[in-house]
Amino acid sequence: GAVVSQHPSWVICKSGTSVKIECRSLDFQATTMFWYRQFPKQSLMLMATSNEGSKATYEQGVEKDKFLINHASLTLSTLTVTSAHPEDSSFYICSARTGYGYTFGSGTRLTVV
Amino acid sequence: DQQVKQNSPSLSVQEGRISILNCDYTNSMFDYFLWYKKYPAEGPTFLISISSIKDKNEDGRFTVFLNKSAKHLSLHIVPSQPGDSAVYFCAASRGREAGKSTFGDGTTLTVKP
Repeated sequence: GAVVSQHPSWVICKSGTSVKIECRSLDFQATTMFWYRQFPKQSLMLMATSNEGSKATYEQGVEKDKFLINHASLTLSTLTVTSAHPEDSSFYICSARTGYGYTFGSGTRLTVV
Repeated sequence: DQQVKQNSPSLSVQEGRISILNCDYTNSMFDYFLWYKKYPAEGPTFLISISSIKDKNEDGRFTVFLNKSAKHLSLHIVPSQPGDSAVYFCAASRGREAGKSTFGDGTTLTVKP
């Protein structure tokens, strides 16, 4: 079946640094990917929709300059958390539309110290 | 305002019995509903969906029921198996663009042998 590979699975970074999270569709082309964030004991919240070759569409309240999304190819979308702060610590997860539905990556646990 | 709610954070059932997970929504524009299962350190996995034109959809041991008037849906798992132990998320979307779903907070199901 369709697989989305997400890396890294976890990352610890210092406050003020930037972190890049990658999502790759391994056996299909993903023209659209979705980026979610999940705080502890809360639901997945859609952050943005990533479209290959065009600008991402951000949900209300999500800072596009802080969460940079790049979808340069049909198999790769990246989310860069710029100038990370402790309040950005969260679980970030991507999903992609496949021919069968939607497949999620395994998620990235970001801890900013 | 949380538009999709799973009021039971946890549920414990005996192996072989029925598991019933509930979900309520407030946005009457939602017309497509999904259930996902999530194991620790993994991304959500699609289980079953239902569109608003139906009131029941069945797939093996999993059945989803939709009560539009009550804005309520439920997932029935029968018979429950220990391997079903996971977090179950209910999600809702407008149209078939389920990638932009609104998720509930999840219910942790524990199936005891």
